[in-house]
Amino acid sequence: SAVISQKPSRDICQRGTSLTIQCQVDSQVTMMFWYRQQPGQSLTLIATANQGSEATYESGFVIDKFPISRPNLTFSTLTVSNMSPEDSSIYLCSASAAGQRAFFGQGTRLTVV
Amino acid sequence: TQLLEQSPQFLSIQEGENLTVYCNSSSVFSSLQWYRQEPGEGPVLLVTVVTGGEVKKLKRLTFQFGDARKDSSLHITAAQTGDTGLYLCAGANSGGSNYKLTFGKGTLLTVNP
Repeated sequence: SAVISQKPSRDICQRGTSLTIQCQVDSQVTMMFWYRQQPGQSLTLIATANQGSEATYESGFVIDKFPISRPNLTFSTLTVSNMSPEDSSIYLCSASAAGQRAFFGQGTRLTVV
Repeated sequence: TQLLEQSPQFLSIQEGENLTVYCNSSSVFSSLQWYRQEPGEGPVLLVTVVTGGEVKKLKRLTFQFGDARKDSSLHITAAQTGDTGLYLCAGANSGGSNYKLTFGKGTLLTVNP
């Protein structure tokens, strides 16, 4: 199994600012994903983080708003840019090796005021 | 777009009762996963079902994958207060190294003492 650490675990941010969330996996994984979970809701996939190339974004999510980096097989970052209260949510990092189950970090609870 | 419909959305029962949560889709998935999520935590995988008609048991939890691999159910026998949480089903289309998940909206289960 893989252990995923996310930082920060929570933050309160001013509108108009940006926050970068870090995701570290304790073993090499093939795929890394970023999800958003709004209050009382399920998980919505934001993008697939690709190593060494641009992330693949899902419908409704764009790189300018959610830039993602993945410099190596065990680390990725998600930035929430120019935040508004509507961005208040839990952001979750997920990782999986080829053909194996997906693991999740504990999430980052973001509140934008 | 693949969608997973989960029902019921909310469920409040007394300790000792039985319950069933359903997960339905019009799409076929290569596998289906069930997660439980507690407040402030990321989802934790309970089980993965792969074969149509498959039944898996995890103590008091019984998971079934439909014959056509489009639907699944989770049955809990003699629920305990520790079963309280958000139950999520997620369909996977894993081909090669891809392990992208589509999540249902979740069932928020409260087991009262």
